[in-house]
This record gives sequence, C-alpha cells and structure tokens, in this order.
Amino acid sequence: DADVTQTPRNRITKTGKRIMLECSQTKGHDRMYWYRQDPGLGLRLIYYSFDVKDINKGEISDGYSVSRQAQAKFSLSLESAIPNQTALYFCATSWGRSNEQFFGPGTRLTVL
Amino acid sequence: AQKITQTQPGMFVQEKEAVTLDCTYDTSDQSYGLFWYKQPSSGEMIFLIYQGSYDEQNATEGRYSLNFQKARKSANLVISASQLGDSAMYFCAMAQNTGFQKLVFGTGTRLLVSP
Repeated sequence: DADVTQTPRNRITKTGKRIMLECSQTKGHDRMYWYRQDPGLGLRLIYYSFDVKDINKGEISDGYSVSRQAQAKFSLSLESAIPNQTALYFCATSWGRSNEQFFGPGTRLTVL
Repeated sequence: AQKITQTQPGMFVQEKEAVTLDCTYDTSDQSYGLFWYKQPSSGEMIFLIYQGSYDEQNATEGRYSLNFQKARKSANLVISASQLGDSAMYFCAMAQNTGFQKLVFGTGTRLLVSP
C-alpha cells in the first residue's frame, strides 16, 4: 500500500465551485506539505504544516486554505475555484531533519 | 530568496552513456540542502539524491552522483550508464536547513534515453 495517498486522483470542476483535495499518510511523519505543479514552472509550495496546530503559508497560498485534521491528514481547499488553478497538486511528508521528502501520487485538477 | 536554475529544457543520451544535468542555485543562506527528483511520465515524484551545503564529499546513490561546486553554486546530477527507464523529467530543488523542507524547485530538464 502507498505511504502517501491523495484523493481524488483526477477532478474536473467548474469555476466558482468549492473543492477539497485530501492527503493521508501512514509514514508517521509530522511535517506535511502541499505543492502545485504547472507546466514549465516546476513545483511551488502552497502550504506546510508541522502538526495540527501549526499551519504556514508557502509561496503561493492565495486562493487556497488547508486543514490539518490529524497528524496523518492534511487537506487543501479551493473555496471558489478559478481556471488558473488548473494544475497537478502534490502532497508530501517529511520528518525531523530527514533529507528526503515523500510525495503522494498527485491530483490532477481541471477548472473549467 | 532562493532560486534554482535549470538551463537545459531537454537532453538526449544513448543507452549506457553518462549524462550530466545542470543545476545552479542562488541563496544567501549558509546552511541549505540540494535535492534531485525524477518525475516519470506517470507523474510521481521520486527522490534521487541529497547534498548538504556542509558536506565535504559529493553525494552518490548508485548510478546517481551529485557534482557539488559550492563556490560556483552548482549542483549538477550525473547519471552513469543511462538506461531506457531513466527517460523522465528531472528537477533540482533546494531548501534551507530549518527542519522544514520548504523545497524550491527548478523548471526541470526532460531526459530522453535512446537505445
């Protein structure tokens, strides 16, 4: 079974809809991250979290919100989706001062 | 602010040959880490190798090695003996050593390995 899972894997929605992307991990890691990937731009950090009480904005947090429901769960919400939020979204985890960040399989979101 | 530059949009190499993917970085931090990730066409991000800014030796992981030149602020990935399965996008990234890996990524290099 995958250690970092994301649901849904693919989603098509309309402008103005509220969307939630979910991430769960079984690695026991305390740090979780949400990234967005656009063609030609690499990945950019949206939000990151140390634990359920610690939420931090990343490089491109506008238009997004997150919730850390438990150490193992980190959700990303688009309150009112817009077409330029069409992208591939990745959740990732890490622990302590580990040098490796573990990525989920990604969610492909299309906003029409 | 940190910045990663990958100037090679695409690279071609023949199977069994070595290839170097370029990465330069910019940071004012003294303590930082450099990472390489592979993204196959299936989309997942696969961690390849890590180099700490204070590491004196270049990192190696199997067929992957990182040519770290601190004064030049470069962290090139060398893949020896390329295989067809190495065809993918490769991303260089960096993070401050703060306990959080807030990765800053480059735009990637697409590697195509031909038979």
